[in-house]
Amino acid sequence: GENVEQHPSTLSVQEGDSAVIKCTYSDSASNYFPWYKQELGKRPQLIIDIRSNVGEKKDQRIAVTLNKTAKHFSLHITETQPEDSAVYFCAASNGGGADGLTFGKGTHLIIQP
Amino acid sequence: DVKVTQSSRYLVKRTGEKVFLECVQDMDHENMFWYRQDPGLGLRLIYFSYDVKMKEKGDIPEGYSVSREKKERFSLILESASTNQTSMYLCASRNPGLASRRDTQYFGPGTRLTVL
Repeated sequence: GENVEQHPSTLSVQEGDSAVIKCTYSDSASNYFPWYKQELGKRPQLIIDIRSNVGEKKDQRIAVTLNKTAKHFSLHITETQPEDSAVYFCAASNGGGADGLTFGKGTHLIIQP
Repeated sequence: DVKVTQSSRYLVKRTGEKVFLECVQDMDHENMFWYRQDPGLGLRLIYFSYDVKMKEKGDIPEGYSVSREKKERFSLILESASTNQTSMYLCASRNPGLASRRDTQYFGPGTRLTVL
């Protein structure tokens, strides 16, 4: 089955700086890669996703890049703000099937004032 | 807005009890999922269902079963609860027929289960 590795487990950045979280996956059949943000005590919320026919996707301060050859994808957050503090999860699946998502173990992002 | 609800936010049960966790979605989604979330382990898939009365094992199905008698409701059952099933349980749903969002999973608020 699919295996998703996520790094780092904790990331502390100064407010206004950029943050990058990296994930690798093992199954070359995976073609859907979402990122979820989970604030303390709340449900995971989708913030951005990418399919394997695209190399990069951007939404305001958030971007995701995908390298299919190397089987890795990354989340980039620019101009970080205090409200970006949360746990972020990457995931992978064979989109189009009914399979569930395979998640990374999460990154706790801390924005230092 | 998609709404996924779970019957309880917090639940405390004793070892050996039979436990039912309920999940309801109001958007006519075909696919539904149960995950458990543990610190340092992320979210792990327990079971999923791609339609009424259908069920498939996920990555960690041992000790669990599921029921989907109606499209909007997906139940997770712990036949005989054990302390290692203490966890946060998250339900999710997806509409594979919606082209632009066919892969997006929407999560419920979670049920924090403690087994004593």
